[in-house]
Amino acid sequence: AQSVAQPEDQVNVAEGNPLTVKCTYSVSGNPYLFWYVQYPNRGLQFLLKYITGDNLVKGSYGFEAEFNKSQTSFHLKKPSALVSDSALYFCAVRDMDSNYQLIWGAGTKLIIKP
Amino acid sequence: ETGVTQTPRHLVMGMTNKKSLKCEQHLGHNAMYWYKQSAKKPLELMFVYSLEERVENNSVPSRFSPECPNSSHLFLHLHTLQPEDSALYLCASSQDRAGPTDTQYFGPGTRLTVL
Repeated sequence: AQSVAQPEDQVNVAEGNPLTVKCTYSVSGNPYLFWYVQYPNRGLQFLLKYITGDNLVKGSYGFEAEFNKSQTSFHLKKPSALVSDSALYFCAVRDMDSNYQLIWGAGTKLIIKP
Repeated sequence: ETGVTQTPRHLVMGMTNKKSLKCEQHLGHNAMYWYKQSAKKPLELMFVYSLEERVENNSVPSRFSPECPNSSHLFLHLHTLQPEDSALYLCASSQDRAGPTDTQYFGPGTRLTVL
């Protein structure tokens, strides 16, 4: 069965420091992976996706994600955190056994402290 | 308006009420989705429509009834809900349901409270 895990409920980072939000997955076949962000009282916004090719994917707002096939991970990263990056982040993987539905992680709350 | 819009943004209803949530997408997409978001839980896919035809119904109770009159509009009709149905209901759209690389775009959601 396909699955995705976000092992941290919350991540705290000081402004200006690099940030990492972790995501691991389990799929049969090629993984198609997504990151979304949700700001308070807002819907989810698409950040980036991995389909194939370069293991480092660049996305919106200066975010990037590193695909690691051997570790089955797709961690979200940013070199220098901003207070405005504080939000809820969701990782998702495409379920190839169920009409390509997205399987979602439970989310990681990112708090950037000034 | 651009993107995906949802109305109302907030809704409080009693268990015996009937209400509807509305979603409209301005992206020219062919697929639309309803999700339920509860705190600290993964998003739950409720319904999927592709070209106005319902293609997925993930064991959702019959007190939730979707309607898709055209490819731009999606409704979720609610009746005799339970307090545990209180959640954020998100609408999304994508160009094509069937593609593994297809990206979903979300509306702001309707915060539903059932008393």
